[in-house]
Amino acid sequence: DAGVTQSPTHLIKTRGQQVTLRCSPKSGHDTVSWYQQALGQGPQFIFQYYEEEERQRGNFPDRFSGHQFPNYSSELNVNALLLGDSALYLCASSLVGALYEQYFGPGTRLTVT
Amino acid sequence: QQPVQSPQAVILREGEDAVINCSSSKALYSVHWYRQKHGEAPVFLMILLKGGEQKGHEKISASFNEKKQQSSLYLTASQLSYSGTYFCGTEIRGSGGSNYKLTFGKGTLLTVNP
Repeated sequence: DAGVTQSPTHLIKTRGQQVTLRCSPKSGHDTVSWYQQALGQGPQFIFQYYEEEERQRGNFPDRFSGHQFPNYSSELNVNALLLGDSALYLCASSLVGALYEQYFGPGTRLTVT
Repeated sequence: QQPVQSPQAVILREGEDAVINCSSSKALYSVHWYRQKHGEAPVFLMILLKGGEQKGHEKISASFNEKKQQSSLYLTASQLSYSGTYFCGTEIRGSGGSNYKLTFGKGTLLTVNP
């Protein structure tokens, strides 16, 4: 049973550029949440996608956008990258209707220079 | 609003017990506990819902005081594998129950030594 997968593993971008991160949920899961985790901090909720729509959003600017595809996979897009966007980006999947147990992927380490 | 975890760090010898606390100023729908080892993804440990329902691993126990909006994670007879950072995540009550947004605390670093 494949768990949550994310790509790429690491990414280095220059300030002002745009980046797309990808996530495939655990088999059978239909909901995807994205988190940003700075070094030494807990994950911060960016947004959640269900039925191809953004269901809830955290306190992140519009530079952060996302998408969910019919196969439940998801993308996180960040425009106009800032140095402060450097972090580990985690994707978590869950199944609506079940207790909200989330399975996290290994994350994408984004470095903005 | 971010839940507050205590202690920030704890060091144990193998076999000792520990309690990690999580408190919120908001009315909670649920509390979640995760453990994250260095360089790895957070791993689900336990979820506690308003009303008493809970789900988690057999060797992990936790409590949820709905009146005080507090939760505690109990780690008994600790093993070396328990080392890691423990995060609590809280869900605020929404119109239909959950608001689908998990807010994590800053974490508690647990170190278990031989």
